Amino acid sequence: RKEVEQDPGPFNVPEGATVAFNCTYSNSASQSFFWYRQDCRKEPKLLMSVYSSGNEDGRFTAQLNRASQYISLLIRDSKLSDSATYLCVELQGTYKYIFGTGTRLKVLA
Amino acid sequence: EAGVAQSPRYKIIEKRQSVAFWCNPISGHATLYWYQQILGQGPKLLIQFQNNGVVDDSQLPKDRFSAERLKGVDSTLKIQPAKLEDSAVYLCASSLDGNNEQFFGPGTRLTVL
Repeated sequence: RKEVEQDPGPFNVPEGATVAFNCTYSNSASQSFFWYRQDCRKEPKLLMSVYSSGNEDGRFTAQLNRASQYISLLIRDSKLSDSATYLCVELQGTYKYIFGTGTRLKVLA
Repeated sequence: EAGVAQSPRYKIIEKRQSVAFWCNPISGHATLYWYQQILGQGPKLLIQFQNNGVVDDSQLPKDRFSAERLKGVDSTLKIQPAKLEDSAVYLCASSLDGNNEQFFGPGTRLTVL
């Protein structure tokens, strides 16, 4: 089993839709998680950190479910510019970052 | 603030040849990472430095890959000899320390023929 698993997609959604991605992790002791965004042929960039209490930044909401060992990313009112690959990242211990394979999102006009 | 710099941006070589990539992290960042990203996959950590010491190189294929960060600033990653399966984007990232946000460079796209 992969350490961090994501549905590769693509998720094709119309503009204005709400879309959610999940990501499962295997290390129950992990404390920190992140969502990175990667545009086609570009480098990953931090979208948001995932806190135990959840984290909201504008149209984006990240949640952590420790009991089921998954994190989620919710995007409301999707924009064309949200089209990208969303990478889930688990920080194991104090320094080991594990990236998922990414979920591809296409927002359609 | 200048970002993470990498060169070259693209490299095409034949199998069994050698290649080297260079990375200059953001000034003041103690932690430097090298990742390999194969098409359709997420970045895979190859090696992590804290200043000029290696923190984690468990996934570095040491028979052909080597990396150094001699003065705790710039870093080079070398592949010798290259194999077809080394075709990927090699991403360098840096962070203030190992627990902070990572900033990625634009990557070097390597094609091995």
